[in-house]
Amino acid sequence: AQSVTQLDSQVPVFEEAPVELRCNYSSSVSVYLFWYVQYPNQGLQLLLKYLSGSTLVKGINGFEAEFNKSQTSFHLRKPSVHISDTAEYFCAVSEVQGAQKLVFGQGTRLTINP
Amino acid sequence: EAGVAQSPRYKIIEKRQSVAFWCNPISGHATLYWYQQILGQGPKLLIQFQNNGVVDDSQLPKDRFSAERLKGVDSTLKIQPAKLEDSAVYLCASSTTQGARETQYFGPGTRLLVL
Repeated sequence: AQSVTQLDSQVPVFEEAPVELRCNYSSSVSVYLFWYVQYPNQGLQLLLKYLSGSTLVKGINGFEAEFNKSQTSFHLRKPSVHISDTAEYFCAVSEVQGAQKLVFGQGTRLTINP
Repeated sequence: EAGVAQSPRYKIIEKRQSVAFWCNPISGHATLYWYQQILGQGPKLLIQFQNNGVVDDSQLPKDRFSAERLKGVDSTLKIQPAKLEDSAVYLCASSTTQGARETQYFGPGTRLLVL
């Protein structure tokens, strides 16, 4: 079975600063990787996903993530954040074969300070 | 395109009472999911439907939780009787078909508080 660890429960940053949200996964089989964002009182929205190919994945709202198989990581980055990026961010993993269900990390709350 | 609709948005009940949640997926989406999101945790899959059939209900507490998707469109999730630990946000999601590559679209959720 796979699992996901988001290393920071909260990340405060100043507006226009860069940010990295860390995600590590554990799996004995090949996986797909996802980042979702949850704005207050809303459902989750897909930011980006890694299925295959280039390990650098670009998503919506200027976010990108890099798949590192040797380190089993999929960290999310943005070079310059805005107040509107304040939200909860979830990393998720799914087996390529087998059950193929999403397993989520516990989330990282990103707070942008002016 | 209309998103995933859920109702009610909030529900407060006492333990041992029953409660039901409703979900209408995006039109044409064959796969429907129910997740439980406890405060401070990521969503956990409870049940997955493909059309009106159950694909995965391995994490559904079947002694108290039930779900149906009779006509392969909207779905209801029921808890009977509720326990304090059922307090959570219940999220419904849908995708065009099953498979890990498919993007899941989430509704706003139903926030349940069991007193």
